[in-house]
Amino acid sequence: EPEVTQTPSHQVTQMGQEVILRCVPISNHLYFYWYRQILGQKVEFLVSFYNNEISEKSEIFDDQFSVERPDGSNFTLKIRSTKLEDSAMYFCASRQSGAVSGEQYFGPGTRLTVT
Amino acid sequence: SQQGEEDPQALSIQEGENATMNCSYKTSINNLQWYRQNSGRGLVHLILIRSNEREKHSGRLRVTLDTSKKSSSLLITASRAADTASYFCATDGGEYNFNKFYFGSGTKLNVKP
Repeated sequence: EPEVTQTPSHQVTQMGQEVILRCVPISNHLYFYWYRQILGQKVEFLVSFYNNEISEKSEIFDDQFSVERPDGSNFTLKIRSTKLEDSAMYFCASRQSGAVSGEQYFGPGTRLTVT
Repeated sequence: SQQGEEDPQALSIQEGENATMNCSYKTSINNLQWYRQNSGRGLVHLILIRSNEREKHSGRLRVTLDTSKKSSSLLITASRAADTASYFCATDGGEYNFNKFYFGSGTKLNVKP
């Protein structure tokens, strides 16, 4: 069964460093998303991406964040200068279509630890 | 904010019993999805119910949706220890806005063997 994959599963970085989190969405999906979940808290929407551009972003997704679909398969989230509060699980998700019945599938997540 | 909220926050039952979790949201939706998350792991999609549907079944799962009350329930019948996890509902932005999905805080289900 097709699935969303994410790498790495765990990333440790020092404050101020740049990180790139990678995702491979399901191959025939057109809509892509990033979410984060701080330990013990709810899943929060970061950004959605369709047709090679950002569709919507949350207030969390400030200038330190960027997304890219560099080729036909990968979808990346870059954090330019990490802060301690960026420590969280980051989930990528994809959706096949804009139809009402289009289900959103999540990857296993990348645990980002900023020290 | 559209964010859904689940209740109860935590539920502890014996294996074989049924578990019911509820989700409430604030504005109109196109659909509502339920997910399961095992501790520290990813979100597993369980079921999607469209705003024009009232009930949906998938195996031991039964989901209902009441758009007039802006609420949904997830029933797991004949629970198993392996059902122990957190369960979340997610709603979209309504009016054919699928650019953003909102999650509640989840219900932590513990099924005792």
